Amino acid sequence: GAVVSQHPSWVICKSGTSVKIECRSLDFQATTMFWYRQFPKQSLMLMATSNEGSKATYEQGVEKDKFLINHASLTLSTLTVTSAHPEDSSFYICSARRGASYEQYFGPGTRLTVT
Amino acid sequence: DQQVKQNSPSLSVQEGRISILNCDYTNSMFDYFLWYKKYPAEGPTFLISISSIKDKNEDGRFTVFLNKSAKHLSLHIVPSQPGDSAVYFCAAIGNSGGSNYKLTFGKGTLLTVNP
Repeated sequence: GAVVSQHPSWVICKSGTSVKIECRSLDFQATTMFWYRQFPKQSLMLMATSNEGSKATYEQGVEKDKFLINHASLTLSTLTVTSAHPEDSSFYICSARRGASYEQYFGPGTRLTVT
Repeated sequence: DQQVKQNSPSLSVQEGRISILNCDYTNSMFDYFLWYKKYPAEGPTFLISISSIKDKNEDGRFTVFLNKSAKHLSLHIVPSQPGDSAVYFCAAIGNSGGSNYKLTFGKGTLLTVNP
């Protein structure tokens, strides 16, 4: 149990376009979902935390108007990178917390390349 | 300021021997700790966790030790296997889950298990 999927696994888009990444908890209801970004050879950087039905809480320095997060149900959260630029190219990973547990279960990640 | 530190960027161990991965933290409000394993271009996989009310937790080949007074934890893998080769992240949660159970990650240690 505790499987999290992400779609797409990789995407290439042109500068100025928007890209949506989906995160789904497949076999449990996620009380909270998180979005991370990982740069090469660096640790995971938390971008935002979202609870179902409420606005996401963004970390300092993360532009909420650029990285739109929607958590419409207990099993689905989406991250939309708006007006993408080459510097947004990165590995985006979501995670989900199950029930009252402390553990977060991570998706396989999405590689975004902006040309 | 790095609140969770993994001071060894890499560790090399012979197959069958013990791997010991270390992690230090500075925030005394952390009360739950987790270890994740990550392969390149994949999301982290949860391994094992420990609450601050315990000093040891064991699951198969993996044991985590917590020394609260020293603000230090370690992950022991016995016996080490080549498939254990990956980056290992230490993470912490503070305030009994306050702030939406946000994880604070260390920078990771690359473990290489040689056949």
